[in-house]
Amino acid sequence: GENVEQHPSTLSVQEGDSAVIKCTYSDSASNYFPWYKQELGKGPQLIIDIRSNVGEKKDQRIAVTLNKTAKHFSLHITETQPEDSAVYFCAPGDKLSFGAGTTVTVRA
Amino acid sequence: DSGVTQTPKHLITATGQRVTLRCSPRSGDLSVYWYQQSLDQGLQFLIQYYNGEERAKGNILERFSAQQFPDLHSELNLSSLELGDSALYFCASTPGGQGRTEAFFGQGTRLTVV
Repeated sequence: GENVEQHPSTLSVQEGDSAVIKCTYSDSASNYFPWYKQELGKGPQLIIDIRSNVGEKKDQRIAVTLNKTAKHFSLHITETQPEDSAVYFCAPGDKLSFGAGTTVTVRA
Repeated sequence: DSGVTQTPKHLITATGQRVTLRCSPRSGDLSVYWYQQSLDQGLQFLIQYYNGEERAKGNILERFSAQQFPDLHSELNLSSLELGDSALYFCASTPGGQGRTEAFFGQGTRLTVV
């Protein structure tokens, strides 16, 4: 199955700074690369996704970049705000297998 | 609201008991996934059903079983419960079929085994 690794496992940033989370996968046939956000006490929710025919996608303050050759994709959050504090998961490929998650804390 | 409904929200039970968790997927979604999330842990994939048939199995214990009914709702049965089974259990649904799309998650069932 898909081997998924996320780095870092925790990330603390000052409000207004940027945050970057990287997800590495093993299945070269993967063609769907989503990022989910899980707030405390809630289920994960999709925040952005990208397909393999695109290298980058942006939605306001969040963006995802894909490097298929190196088999990794990254989540970029700019101008971080307190409401960005959450756990973020990647789930590449055909199976809904999640990375271990990255806990992001935005310091006011 | 994701459109995925899980019941009950909370469940407290004793060791050795059996419980059933229920999930109603989004209208029209054929695929249901079950996950276990222990404290400060990631989402451990348990099992997937597609249109009533088991499609994929993850790290699901033999004490656990699941099924998907003709109306597409799914149930996860946990038996001979142990303290370590205390966790949040999520289900997610997708349309299924070819290719991956967004998965919609329920709010979870918090199981506490005492």
